[in-house]
Amino acid sequence: KQEVTQIPAALSVPEGENLVLNCSFTDSAIYNLQWFRQDPGKGLTSLLLIQSSQREQTSGRLNASLDKSSGRSTLYIAASQPGDSATYLCAALPQLTFGSGTQLTVLP
Amino acid sequence: EAGVTQSPTHLIKTRGQQATLRCSPISGHTSVYWYQQALGLGLQFLLWYDEGEERNRGNFPPRFSGRQFPNYSSELNVNALELEDSALYLCASSVAAGTKEVYEQYFGPGTRLTVT
Repeated sequence: KQEVTQIPAALSVPEGENLVLNCSFTDSAIYNLQWFRQDPGKGLTSLLLIQSSQREQTSGRLNASLDKSSGRSTLYIAASQPGDSATYLCAALPQLTFGSGTQLTVLP
Repeated sequence: EAGVTQSPTHLIKTRGQQATLRCSPISGHTSVYWYQQALGLGLQFLLWYDEGEERNRGNFPPRFSGRQFPNYSSELNVNALELEDSALYLCASSVAAGTKEVYEQYFGPGTRLTVT
């Protein structure tokens, strides 16, 4: 059974800082790993999808990496902004298993 | 291009009643997924439909059921509602699923179900 863990559960940083969110999974037989952000009471917004054949994906200030052998993925956010404040979730596919999320607060 | 839509936005029911939630996927998407996000419990996978058939089911009792229509929209039914069914129900869609692969998912805004 796939289990996904996200560390830390919460993170508070000053504006402008670079930060890393971690996601680990127990079953390396994944096809894709997807990162999302969720604002309070809202649905999920897809940020990045990394296919199993890829090692990383980039979109703007976001960079996500995937290491299947170690069961880890990281989401790097550069030059954080208050608008980045949200809960960030990772999901292992095809198992459709989500981590509990990291609640990020970027202080102005 | 319209995103995933869900209705209603909010639903209030009493214990023992039935609730019906609806989801319309992005045009061209044939897979629909349902998730439950209860307070403090994270996102839990409920059901996955593709091409009108149930592909997979999460660890939920049979009173959670659904279906997918020929236009790929989907309905989630929850019978004999219990207080702990109160949650945000999220629907997602993706392009056609392969035998094992699940493609990038796009989520709707959710339906907030409150059971009193």
